[in-house]
Amino acid sequence: DIQMTQSPASLSASLEEIVTITCQASQDIGNWLAWYQQKPGKSPQLLIYGATSLADGVPSRFSGSRSGTQYSLKISRLQVEDIGIYYCQQASSAPLTFGSGTKLEIK
Amino acid sequence: QVTLKESGPGMLQPSKTLSLTCSFSGFSLSTSGMVVSWIRQPSGKSLEWLAAIDWDGDKYYNPSLKSRLTVSKDTSNTQVFLKITSVDTADTATYYCARSPGGHWYFDFWGPGTMVTVSS
Repeated sequence: DIQMTQSPASLSASLEEIVTITCQASQDIGNWLAWYQQKPGKSPQLLIYGATSLADGVPSRFSGSRSGTQYSLKISRLQVEDIGIYYCQQASSAPLTFGSGTKLEIK
Repeated sequence: QVTLKESGPGMLQPSKTLSLTCSFSGFSLSTSGMVVSWIRQPSGKSLEWLAAIDWDGDKYYNPSLKSRLTVSKDTSNTQVFLKITSVDTADTATYYCARSPGGHWYFDFWGPGTMVTVSS
């Protein structure tokens, strides 16, 4: 199975701050990487797919990037509504696997 | 408008078989490239992909649970089912179904989830 190592586990940041979350894949997955946001009591919502493509309706302050097997999600100007848990997911090969999650809070 | 909704027993006893239903609208599972997956999440933990079925009826399973899983769909392509045999407390989780269109494995629409508790 492809392991997705996500960091940090939790993050506290101020409004308008830039936030970066990373995922390291245990092997080459190309651009087959997605990011999801999950708010308390809700199902995950797709933010980024193909490592860098913004899903429909997602604010442009979210962006994704790739460097080799390391993937990053950046929130350029943190807003209150961005609090939640963020997960990465590899879509390269079965079994599909997710990172352990990053809990984002407002400082 | 794409919607998915899971339904299940809520609670069941260890060693029993868990049966889940995903009812969806706004798309057809007969559309080329369409896939519906089952994913679960124990409380406070990450997500685990379990199984999927695609537009052509091909089935995909997580090897770690494959011997206990059966995924299927109805002939009208509006429902997907998952059965998990011999459940135990480790199967306690919220179970989601989610859609992947276009032949890729990203989940663009999810159901709200159904919570399942395994307890004697």
